[in-house]
Amino acid sequence: QSALTQPASVSGSPGQSITISCTGSSSDIGGYDYVSWYQQPPGKAPKLIIYDVSNRPSGISSRFSGSKSDNTASLTISGLQAEDEGHYFCSTYTTSVVFGGGTKVTVL
Amino acid sequence: EVLLVESGGGLVQPGGSLTLCCVASGFSLDSYEMNWARQGPGKRLEWVAYSSTSGSTTYYADSVKGRFTISRDNAKNSLYLQMSSLRVEDTAVYYCARDFRAYVYDIWGQGALVNVSA
Repeated sequence: QSALTQPASVSGSPGQSITISCTGSSSDIGGYDYVSWYQQPPGKAPKLIIYDVSNRPSGISSRFSGSKSDNTASLTISGLQAEDEGHYFCSTYTTSVVFGGGTKVTVL
Repeated sequence: EVLLVESGGGLVQPGGSLTLCCVASGFSLDSYEMNWARQGPGKRLEWVAYSSTSGSTTYYADSVKGRFTISRDNAKNSLYLQMSSLRVEDTAVYYCARDFRAYVYDIWGQGALVNVSA
C-alpha cells in the first residue's frame, strides 16, 4: 500500500476556509471510499473528525467536511477558528491501515 | 467523559523490554476492539497491533510481529502492549485507540513515549 501525501502546513485567517489534501493512488483512495481524517490539537490526543470520505461522527462540527476526487481526498475547514489549530492527518485502508504524514494548521 | 490514558513509557536499552498500559474510562472496554499505534520522530503514524473484544484474536504489523504482544484485562478496563527485543527504530510515541469500526479509530489516548537508546 502506498504512502499518503499531505502538505506539511496550511494556514488561514479566522473565518476563512482552508482545504487540506491527501493524495494516494488508484489502489487505495481512488479505489475505495475509506478515507478518514483525524485532528490532533497541540498536546492533546487525536480525534476522529471524518470517516468514509465525508461522514462526521456524532458531535463533530459541520464546519468540517470531506470529499474525494480521483486519488485525492480533501478536508475542508470552514469558518476557521483559533481552536482549529493543530495537526490533521488522513488515513485509508485496503489490506491494512495507512496514515498520511500530517498537516499542521495555523490560524493567523 | 470517554478517555484512554497510557502509561509505562520510558527509556530502555536496545534488546530490552517494556510494557505499556492503557486504562479506559467512560466506557466498557469489553464492548470495543482496540489497537495500538505509534509515531516515531519525524515519521508518520503506524498501526502496530489489534485486539478483538475478548482478546482471543490479535493482529500485528510486520515490523513488530514476534516481538510485541497485545493483551487486555476487561475486568480492569485495561489494554496492554508487551514489547521485547526492542530496537532503536521502535522509539516512538505509542497510542492506544478504540475501534469506531474496522481501521477507523474514534478515541485515542494522549500517548506514551518509548525511547530505545543505549
